[in-house]
Formats: sequence, C-alpha cells, structure tokens
Amino acid sequence: AQKVTQAQTEISVVEKEDVTLDCVYETRDTTYYLFWYKQPPSGELVFLIRRNSFDEKNEISGRYSWNFQKSTSSFNFTITASQVVDSAVYFCALKTSGSRLTFGEGTQLTVNP
Amino acid sequence: NAGVTQTPKFRVLKTGQSMTLLCAQDMNHEYMYWYRQDPGMGLRLIHYSVGEGTTAKGEVPDGYNVSRLKKQNFLLGLESAAPSQTSVYFCASSYGKQETQYFGPGTRLLVL
Repeated sequence: AQKVTQAQTEISVVEKEDVTLDCVYETRDTTYYLFWYKQPPSGELVFLIRRNSFDEKNEISGRYSWNFQKSTSSFNFTITASQVVDSAVYFCALKTSGSRLTFGEGTQLTVNP
Repeated sequence: NAGVTQTPKFRVLKTGQSMTLLCAQDMNHEYMYWYRQDPGMGLRLIHYSVGEGTTAKGEVPDGYNVSRLKKQNFLLGLESAAPSQTSVYFCASSYGKQETQYFGPGTRLLVL
C-alpha cells in the first residue's frame, strides 16, 4: 500500500523567511513518481513538480527547490524568501504503476506580511 | 488552451435531486479522473477513465456514475444526492497512466 505523510498541518512564517514543507512517502515499488501541487485560496490545484524514482537530482525553479532523498523516503519542498502570494495549501502526492495517485493531507502555509 | 474546465462552479441541491457535473479537457489526454476533496480527508478518487468509452471505479465510487462518450469530456452523475455528497469535486486529466494529472478549477456542491 502507498502512503504519503505531511506531518506539518499548518506553518506560519513572516515574509522573506525560508520555509520547508516536509513529505515522507511509503511504497514497496521501485518505480514511482512524486508530485507537489499548490492549492491557493481560490481553490484550484496547480501542478508544481514531478519526479521519478530513478532521478534523485534536486531541482530548483526560481524561489522553489525540491530535495528528493530515497534513503529517507522524503521529497521536501523549500520556498526561499517567501511571499504573501505563496500562502496556500501544498499537497505532496505519490503514484506507482499499479495504484492511484495518493495525496498527503496537505500543509497549510500562511505567509504574513 | 483552456486546459481542464468544469461546469458548474457551484451548485446547491436538495436531498434526492440529481445532477451532472461536466469536465472537459483540450489537451488530448487519454486519462480522466474525478476526485472529491473533503476537510481532513484529502483528495479521494471517485471514478476514472483510461480512454473514450471506458470507465472504472476508484476509491469512493458509491452514489456516483460516470460516462466518457467523447475523449475530451468526462461526466460525473449523482442520481439521488445525499448530504454526505457535499464536497468539492475536482476533475483531472493526464496523457498516460504515470503522467502528471492536471486539475480543473473544482465544483463546490452543497446538498441540503
């Protein structure tokens, strides 16, 4: 069975602080895919990144960066110099070949001015 | 490209009424999905389709039916709405089984 754990239910930071959202996953498959989605207050789900299990390379996209570590089954997401517009619920998700897309419970990030 | 669109955005139903939610995608994706999002329960898969004319059950299919008569459209039906179906419904599509799912804006449904 697959499982995604986002232990941080809510995080509150002040603008310009760096913040890391944790994601821990469980699967017995050797081939799998990890995702992050953003859900702003307007409600839509916005795709941020997709990573496959064979590619542990970390990725940076502007102020966003992702740290994938198979040894600890983690796929953490860092926002550098946070902004108010980053306030949203962030979901980590896992997909394996034989299963549906499994979402974590989400982390509510609030960035205060 | 509009991506994934959903109609309507918001609806109020009385218990026992029926309705259909429409999802459309213009990305030529083979796979389409319906999810519901409830507080504290994350997103749960209701039904999905791997291609035109096919449908399959997801995690929470009871009380819902779906149809995929055209590749670009995926309909979710509630035959007899119940208060437990109050939720936010999301449609998604993907090119393939392991590919990224792109989501629509969601439909808020309130069943009284």
